[in-house]
Amino acid sequence: NAGVTQTPKFQVLKTGQSMTLQCAQDMNHEYMSWYRQDPGMGLRLIHYSVGAGITDQGEVPNGYNVSRSTTEDFPLRLLSAAPSQTSVYFCASGSGASYGYTFGSGTRLTVV
Amino acid sequence: RKEVEQDPGPFNVPEGATVAFNCTYSNSASQSFFWYRQDCRKEPKLLMSVYSSGNEDGRFTAQLNRASQYISLLIRDSKLSDSATYLCVTSTGGGNKLTFGTGTQLKVEL
Repeated sequence: NAGVTQTPKFQVLKTGQSMTLQCAQDMNHEYMSWYRQDPGMGLRLIHYSVGAGITDQGEVPNGYNVSRSTTEDFPLRLLSAAPSQTSVYFCASGSGASYGYTFGSGTRLTVV
Repeated sequence: RKEVEQDPGPFNVPEGATVAFNCTYSNSASQSFFWYRQDCRKEPKLLMSVYSSGNEDGRFTAQLNRASQYISLLIRDSKLSDSATYLCVTSTGGGNKLTFGTGTQLKVEL
């Protein structure tokens, strides 16, 4: 099993550009989330989903959109990239509160 | 104040040593608790869940004190391969929302 797959692994954007970070899981997990990791800040929740068609905001949702049309996929859209969005982005999926989450290998995004 | 606080370290210990990490959390509504391990420039990986009764997985022992809002991780007989950053994590919202500490760095040396 591939687990959680994120693409791309690296991306450089210019300020104002838009892009979509892809995330797919093959474990039939209901729960999926997006986090960003910045030095000294820990991982912070951007958006999450408890199932197909259901999404909600996390701690730092501004500037990002998500949708969940299938159980497997949970893309993250940057609407108009800003330098403050330079970060490492992790997608995660899980099957319930007590079981923890499985993370993808991350996307390193630089906005110039 | 961060919702989950950890000593950033680094903790430099010799191989074979016992090392303990502590973590405090401020949200009394936290429902589940975890330790994750993160290697440099890699994704976090679940090390173990943490229960009030305490739980052990090989050389690793985790403990939760809900009254004090305190979580601990004990690593016995440290190996070089244990060198990593250890993340203390709580969850709320039915487990959908994870809150991460900034991590404690461990370096195990020969």
